[in-house]
Amino acid sequence: QVQLVQSGAEVKKPGASVKVSCKASGYTFTSSGISWVRQAPGQGLEWMGWISPYNGNTKHAHNLQGRVTMTTDTSTSTAYMELRSLRSDDTAVYYCARSYSVHFSRYFDYWGQGTLVTVSS
Amino acid sequence: DIQMTQSPSSLSASIGDRVTITCRASQSISNYLNWYQQKPGKAPKLLIYGASSLQSGVPSRFSGSGSGTDFTLTISSLQPEDFATYYCQQTYSTPWTFGQGTKVEIK
Repeated sequence: QVQLVQSGAEVKKPGASVKVSCKASGYTFTSSGISWVRQAPGQGLEWMGWISPYNGNTKHAHNLQGRVTMTTDTSTSTAYMELRSLRSDDTAVYYCARSYSVHFSRYFDYWGQGTLVTVSS
Repeated sequence: DIQMTQSPSSLSASIGDRVTITCRASQSISNYLNWYQQKPGKAPKLLIYGASSLQSGVPSRFSGSGSGTDFTLTISSLQPEDFATYYCQQTYSTPWTFGQGTKVEIK
């Protein structure tokens, strides 16, 4: 069965960086993209970006451009999201999700369990 | 960017009620519209993709309709496990934006 297992909670100081991992299993890692979505406490879902494990192509949300880097390691079927220059409003649960595309549809069908990143001095 | 607007933001309903949530896109997104259910402390769960296709394993009381800019999610007979927050999402063009969510509460 398809599973996405994320790394554990992190506490960071403002200005620091965080790198969250997402290990995929149960499917061919290079056959689907991975998206990253975050959710601030009590707030809605915010799409951060997408990466293709097949060729490394990425798309990012405009407001995160320059601070976020998404990578994959196909040898371990793991995706990574690094966010730099952390601010207090980056405090959120960060999710990875498989981004599946089929004829005229594109959707997030499997999600990781979420990683809480707390930014506090 | 395409803005997604859900209504209502919250609603109270009873077990067995028919519930409808609407989602409007700021421009046409064809049928690149998905619906997710999220319960507190849990990851979102895909319910409907391509505006009207039911994800495998999702009960048939959930249905989706619409195309272009206006979409609806309908729960035909609300069950206790359906109390949650529901989000629409467009994947027509990046950034793949979500609606603000609709919280379904017990009346």
